[in-house]
Amino acid sequence: DAGVIQSPRHEVTEMGQEVTLRCKPISGHNSLFWYRQTMMRGLELLIYFNNNVPIDDSGMPEDRFSAKMPNASFSTLKIQPSEPRDSAVYFCASSLTIRGGGYTFGSGTRLTVV
Amino acid sequence: AQRVTQPEKLLSVFKGAPVELKCNYSYSGSPELFWYVQYSRQRLQLLLRHISRESIKGFTADLNKGETSFHLKKPFAQEEDSAMYYCALSPGGSEKLVFGKGTKLTVNP
Repeated sequence: DAGVIQSPRHEVTEMGQEVTLRCKPISGHNSLFWYRQTMMRGLELLIYFNNNVPIDDSGMPEDRFSAKMPNASFSTLKIQPSEPRDSAVYFCASSLTIRGGGYTFGSGTRLTVV
Repeated sequence: AQRVTQPEKLLSVFKGAPVELKCNYSYSGSPELFWYVQYSRQRLQLLLRHISRESIKGFTADLNKGETSFHLKKPFAQEEDSAMYYCALSPGGSEKLVFGKGTKLTVNP
């Protein structure tokens, strides 16, 4: 297994544009998480899914952010419209729903909004 | 609310010296605690979890419920231990992880 795969690795976009980040979890994992990492706030959980269903989206900053998981092997995080303060590294992680199972992280997408 | 505090942003030690990365948590129930590590240019990966009571790469961590701490320790640091270390808490029965802000460990030769 290639692990959790995220694309793109880097994204530079202009303020106001739509940005879509993609994630392919590990096959067989049934939980998927989106985190945002910044120097000021560290790693923040944005949203997580279990069996493709959103369970907790309380970390999604505002309506400009949306996430979907149409099937067990794919998820997207969309920002529309993007703003410079959205610049961060966005990580996707997946896990089995087993107590204490731990996460497997992707390599992240570094987003820069200019 | 759950919170994880790592009081040291940066920690620098010499090779062979003991190292302790501090982690304190705030949670009223029974948490599960983890340490994650991110080496340079690599992805974040699980180092150890308290329920396993394991030692990975010479690191150990003991959950102290009285002090609400889960400090990471290694008796003799190595240069290859240089990395970012994140303490994380999973509220009992939950899948989500709450992370601390991380400590950057540098082991000098």
